Amino acid sequence: EIELTQSPATLSLSPGERATLSCRASQSIRTYLAWYQQRPGQAPRLLIYHASNRATGIPARFSGSGSGTDFTLTISSLEPEDFAVYYCQQRSTWPPEFTFGQGTKLEIK
Amino acid sequence: QEQLVESGGGVVQPGRSLRLSCAASGFNFNNDVIHWVRQAPGKGLEWVAATSYDGSNTYYAGSVKGRFTISRDNSRNTVYLQMNSLTAEDTAIYYCARDLRISPGYRYMDVWGKGTTVTVS
Repeated sequence: EIELTQSPATLSLSPGERATLSCRASQSIRTYLAWYQQRPGQAPRLLIYHASNRATGIPARFSGSGSGTDFTLTISSLEPEDFAVYYCQQRSTWPPEFTFGQGTKLEIK
Repeated sequence: QEQLVESGGGVVQPGRSLRLSCAASGFNFNNDVIHWVRQAPGKGLEWVAATSYDGSNTYYAGSVKGRFTISRDNSRNTVYLQMNSLTAEDTAIYYCARDLRISPGYRYMDVWGKGTTVTVS
């Protein structure tokens, strides 16, 4: 089973700053990685899929990169609504089993 | 507007059963893989199960295999999650989510419901 480890657990930044979130897989998953945002009391929202593709309606300040085992979600300039928890997610080969990272909480400094 | 709405949550005693529903609207549901994902209080996301577009193929997390059954009724635009032999560890918000429509599928989830809460106590 492939594990995803996110770091840091908590990231404290101010609006306007750049955020860099990391997700590391226990073995190569090529570029089969997604990022989700979850605001308090809300359902998750797909931000990035295939490591670097923005989902429909996602602002350009969100970008994803990486391949193999190391992935990054970057938010270029934080808006107040970006303070939330972020999860990475991947799927095992077959039969499919989906795993999520433990999450990174992005909080206002 | 593409929408998924879960229902059927509640408080149930350990060892009992519960059936959740996920109703779709605003899109052609019949062609979509649908997932259930849960989130225990204060915890992260855990994938639970998925069903193919016609229900002929179903997949489960190891933690629920043999206890939970996912099914669908495309005539009602609804997916179900039958949960048996419930334990306190099944206490969570249960979300249904649509699989992102890219080939070959079974990768990511792009439309999510608001969730329904299950408490086993």
